[in-house]
Amino acid sequence: QQQVRQSPQSLTVWEGETAILNCSYENSAFDYFPWYQQFPGEGPALLISILSVSDKKEDGRFTIFFNKREKKLSLHIADSQPGDSATYFCAASPSGSWQLIFGSGTQLTVMP
Amino acid sequence: EAAVTQSPRNKVAVTGGKVTLSCNQTNNHNNMYWYRQDTGHGLRLIHYSYGAGSTEKGDIPDGYKASRPSQENFSLILELATPSQTSVYFCASGEDRGYAEQFFGPGTRLTVL
Repeated sequence: QQQVRQSPQSLTVWEGETAILNCSYENSAFDYFPWYQQFPGEGPALLISILSVSDKKEDGRFTIFFNKREKKLSLHIADSQPGDSATYFCAASPSGSWQLIFGSGTQLTVMP
Repeated sequence: EAAVTQSPRNKVAVTGGKVTLSCNQTNNHNNMYWYRQDTGHGLRLIHYSYGAGSTEKGDIPDGYKASRPSQENFSLILELATPSQTSVYFCASGEDRGYAEQFFGPGTRLTVL
């Protein structure tokens, strides 16, 4: 049973468009949601994160929208650049825990 | 610069053989983790450690052992490798507190023939 689900599995957008990556979860105990970015041949790295007390978190071109009632969140990448092409993992963590539960990832390709 | 390194980066093993994957971190983090990454499954936790001398089972520990001889080093051991263990393995370190960022190594690609 996958506790964190991501869609789509792969996404292609044109340079300058907004890419929208979706994530949903099942466990109400999750209250911390980081997104990790992974380039080919490298390990994942933390991109941006949100706590469940917030409904939005922005960091430059990257924005997380969070809907606690529906147990859904999304990562919006505005003005997408070819350098944003990577795999993005949504993760979730129970309250106060170090443990991360990862989704299966979305592979993003930004076409120039 | 703080970092997590892994060795080897690539490994080909034979079925039934013993494989040891090594990880070193200079972050001085108490927690270290071993994950495997497979298409369609994301990252799954195999073993983790709270500090030197401790190892704990993660979500998919069967067929794997771990060893944490020091703060800096954490090894993953496959005593009898099987083709189903062909995967990319990532080591990570993190502080022992809630909401802590995990810092990942570059990964080891293991192929078991």
